[in-house]
Amino acid sequence: EAGVVQSPRYKIIEKKQPVAFWCNPISGHNTLYWYRQNLGQGPELLIRYENEEAVDDSQLPKDRFSAERLKGVDSTLKIQPAELGDSAVYLCASSLVRGQVEAFFGQGTRLTVV
Amino acid sequence: GQQLNQSPQSMFIQEGEDVSMNCTSSSIFNTWLWYKQDPGEGPVLLIALYKAGELTSNGRLTAQFGITRKDSFLNISASIPSDVGIYFCAGRAGGGADGLTFGKGTHLIIQP
Repeated sequence: EAGVVQSPRYKIIEKKQPVAFWCNPISGHNTLYWYRQNLGQGPELLIRYENEEAVDDSQLPKDRFSAERLKGVDSTLKIQPAELGDSAVYLCASSLVRGQVEAFFGQGTRLTVV
Repeated sequence: GQQLNQSPQSMFIQEGEDVSMNCTSSSIFNTWLWYKQDPGEGPVLLIALYKAGELTSNGRLTAQFGITRKDSFLNISASIPSDVGIYFCAGRAGGGADGLTFGKGTHLIIQP
């Protein structure tokens, strides 16, 4: 079974430019998460989707960040415009909500804003 | 917001030694998960705990869900070089598929 797939693996952009990250969750997983991991820290939740609905976006900086999961499968996270402080690893995870719930992570996208 | 205090921050041990690390919280969690993260990779789930007092093993790894529901422990027995990495505890305060709160990680370094 394929795991959570993210692309690109690495992205370097200049500040004020837009950037987008893509995630394809494990097949059949209805819950999808985006996390941000700063250097030397644990991941922090940005947004959670149940199917196509964003059910928790309280930690998403909405002035510059947006996300979508139009058909309830893959998802895109966008930053526009990017700032130097956005440099981090952006992780996508997915869960199957049935009984006990475990979250499985993709490899992440490492963003460097220069 | 909720915070998890994970300790120690780093560990330097000899191959073959046992390892213990823990995670504490000021609030109650309903689920505790332990992940391992290698450089350039995403976290990989090691053990999931769902009931207070639960003790679960995965090979040489054993984790426990504290009785107070405010802490969890991970032990690794007879460490080997591939155990090197960063270990994260993560807790879920709500039910269902709520997002996880992560600790800052324990960096395990093994000297052969």
